[in-house]
Amino acid sequence: DTAVSQTPKYLVTQMGNDKSIKCEQNLGHDTMYWYKQDSKKFLKIMFSYNNKELIINETVPNRFSPKSPDKAHLNLHINSLELGDSAVYFCASSLAGQETQYFGPGTRLLVL
Amino acid sequence: AQSVTQLGSHVSVSEGALVLLRCNYSSSVPPYLFWYVQYPNQGLQLLLKYTSAATLVKGINGFEAEFKKSETSFHLTKPSAHMSDAAEYFCAVSATGTYKYIFGTGTRLKVLA
Repeated sequence: DTAVSQTPKYLVTQMGNDKSIKCEQNLGHDTMYWYKQDSKKFLKIMFSYNNKELIINETVPNRFSPKSPDKAHLNLHINSLELGDSAVYFCASSLAGQETQYFGPGTRLLVL
Repeated sequence: AQSVTQLGSHVSVSEGALVLLRCNYSSSVPPYLFWYVQYPNQGLQLLLKYTSAATLVKGINGFEAEFKKSETSFHLTKPSAHMSDAAEYFCAVSATGTYKYIFGTGTRLKVLA
């Protein structure tokens, strides 16, 4: 009965590779988010989708491309990975008009 | 524009002592305020939230927070710390329709036996 799930949980890869992280929520929410948590634990929003439409894009390099095939899924594809992309990426979801966001367990990305 | 400041990146308390984690916010519109807890290698779990109803908000695990508009604060308290409270705590602010949280930099709580 997981609410917000992410795969994979851990991702170790080489610089220059392309990788994807998947997020799914079964809460019936219509808004989903990607956050990045850096090594100092600072959390910053990257993207938000509402009903499959992009509504927030916070000055993220265009190597990062989110895709929302339906309201329950928001995937993150990263091209040409760089060392600075190493972080924990959190997916979250909420219901439009409701402010509470529910977070997934995170994907720990390490770029070597 | 909105922002959040968490004073004290590390706080240590003895088991059984009062926990006080500080959060001050800045918002040009009435804010929604949240406290989340993050246990090691886990995601964020909502502790409590303020959404313009009662100014004293009770959350899970015995935590509560009071919204003070005059002080632009939303400090988190717990009367008696437990070892299991050791974690990272994040304060966040949002506003209606903005679809995003602005997080503070987090406070790591250490509970001493």
